[in-house]
Amino acid sequence: DAKTTQPPSMDCAEGRAANLPCNHSTISGNEYVYWYRQIHSQGPQYIIHGLKNNETNEMASLIITEDRKSSTLILPHATLRDTAVYYCIVRVALNYGGSQGNLIFGKGTKLSVKP
Amino acid sequence: NAGVTQTPKFQVLKTGQSMTLQCAQDMNHNSMYWYRQDPGMGLRLIYYSASEGTTDKGEVPNGYNVSRLNKREFSLRLESAAPSQTSVYFCASRRYGYTFGSGTRLTVV
Repeated sequence: DAKTTQPPSMDCAEGRAANLPCNHSTISGNEYVYWYRQIHSQGPQYIIHGLKNNETNEMASLIITEDRKSSTLILPHATLRDTAVYYCIVRVALNYGGSQGNLIFGKGTKLSVKP
Repeated sequence: NAGVTQTPKFQVLKTGQSMTLQCAQDMNHNSMYWYRQDPGMGLRLIYYSASEGTTDKGEVPNGYNVSRLNKREFSLRLESAAPSQTSVYFCASRRYGYTFGSGTRLTVV
């Protein structure tokens, strides 16, 4: 399984863009980059995922480098409610059967959005 | 609302007591999971069930048993609770993406 490296913590000013980096230098060709977040010990929440193209949804944008060895999650206008631990996870498509689709969590990045 | 429901939300046990954590999902997902999360740590997989009638060990299965009662329900049992099992337990289900429950906060004294 490809492993990911994230900074343990980051700060961001409210209203500014939050850019969360993730390194995954051993990613395989069929592995996606998933981002989840966990707000104050609630269950993790899906944010976005991508294979090689940049992706955008109502919550965030995901920028994946051309060599796919790193990615950045962008929250365009961070609010206090975005304070959470953000997990970058590299896995095969989650609709795979058996253990291949199991999410494996690291320690993530604790993002603190400050007023 | 569709989702994953866990019960109870909080529980305190004495060492050696047993209990079952309940989890139910109404999204018709095949796969279900039990994770635990200790302070300052990410989630670790205890057991999972890829489909009704099957269960498999995850990263930290010792001290736990599971039952996939039907497609909706996946329970986690602690036969003889130990202080090391003090944790927050999350159940999840998936089809194309994961949906997590709100967690059960368990303290073993």
